Amino acid sequence: DAGVIQSPRHEVTEMGQEVTLRCKPISGHDYLFWYRQTMMRGLELLIYFNNNVPIDDSGMPEDRFSAKMPNASFSTLKIQPSEPRDSAVYFCASRKIINSPLHFGNGTRLTVT
Amino acid sequence: GESVGLHLPTLSVQEGDNSIINCAYSNSASDYFIWYKQESGKGPQFIIDIRSNMDKRQGQRVTVLLNKTVKHLSLQIAATQPGDSAVYFCAEILYSGGYQKVTFGTGTKLQVIP
Repeated sequence: DAGVIQSPRHEVTEMGQEVTLRCKPISGHDYLFWYRQTMMRGLELLIYFNNNVPIDDSGMPEDRFSAKMPNASFSTLKIQPSEPRDSAVYFCASRKIINSPLHFGNGTRLTVT
Repeated sequence: GESVGLHLPTLSVQEGDNSIINCAYSNSASDYFIWYKQESGKGPQFIIDIRSNMDKRQGQRVTVLLNKTVKHLSLQIAATQPGDSAVYFCAEILYSGGYQKVTFGTGTKLQVIP
């Protein structure tokens, strides 16, 4: 079991640029989550998918953020245009069924200058 | 809004002592709770979970206690080791109307003194 794989591990970009974060969930997991972690707000749920379908995107900050899951083994979180306040660590997590623990990747540290 | 909060932001314990990390949750309808450990540069790692129909669950060196009367969750670590140094989060899961909501606490940093 390779675990949840995220790329890149670090991303530094300039304000206004497009940023794409990638995630490969654990094989066989039906749920995929995107979280953002900052010192001020802690872990915030952005969006989650069930069987590749977005279920709850109420945590997505604004229209600059979008997430897709074209198949069961891949998801992207895109920020366009990026802003300095988007700087954070973005985590992807997956789980197999309801009432089971989330398995997190090691995150992407995003810095927007 | 409803939230999960932790009483102690930082806890320092002597190696070999027992640690107790506390968490208060606000939604009495939550039916599943999880403790996570997060080391620097890594994602949260599952430690132990408990369902709302239980009040205690034990793992290897860890015990989770759930007190639904006062909406309190605790994580006990026996014989704390330097490798236990990390930030610990509790998470509260609520299912409502076909949606599930996972809310994380703000975290408690555990420092183990050798």
